[in-house]
Amino acid sequence: EPEVTQTPSHQVTQMGQEVILRCVPISNHLYFYWYRQILGQKVEFLVSFYNNEISEKSEIFDDQFSVERPDGSNFTLKIRSTKLEDSAMYFCASSEELAGHNEQFFGPGTRLTVL
Amino acid sequence: GNSVTQMEGPVTLSEEAFLTINCTYTATGYPSLFWYVQYPGEGLQLLLKATKADDKGSNKGFEATYRKETTSFHLEKGSVQVSDSAVYFCALNDYKLSFGAGTTVTVRA
Repeated sequence: EPEVTQTPSHQVTQMGQEVILRCVPISNHLYFYWYRQILGQKVEFLVSFYNNEISEKSEIFDDQFSVERPDGSNFTLKIRSTKLEDSAMYFCASSEELAGHNEQFFGPGTRLTVL
Repeated sequence: GNSVTQMEGPVTLSEEAFLTINCTYTATGYPSLFWYVQYPGEGLQLLLKATKADDKGSNKGFEATYRKETTSFHLEKGSVQVSDSAVYFCALNDYKLSFGAGTTVTVRA
């Protein structure tokens, strides 16, 4: 069964460093998303992406964040200069369509720890 | 904006007990509603969904009905198993998912 994959499973970095989180969405999906979950808090939407453009982004997704689909399979989230408060689980998701009734398929997540 | 309020846990049950997790939402319009489940060490998986008022979603013995009048989408299962131990998330979809806080359920043998 097709699945969304994410690498690495755990990333430890120093404050101020750049990190890139990688995702491989399901191959025939067209819409891609990043969410994050700070320990003990809700899963929060960060950004959605379609046709090589950001479709929507949340207040959290500031200038420190960027997304890219560098090739036909990968979808990346870059944090330019990490802060302690960026420590969280980051989930990638994809869906076939944008329609509200469509299921988003999630990857297993990357746990980011900023020291 | 849209939001979801979910019963917080943790919830601990014995096998074959009845499970209810309350979920209410605030939304403009009529979004689709979802329950996602996260098993230990895994990502979020769709458990069930309902796309319009009075729809009932069901899967693996779990059920939830989209109640517009009470803006609720409570999750129920009549007889839980140890394998149902997981974190359950209620969510609404208005082209992005808005999640509740998650409820950790532990089922004891």
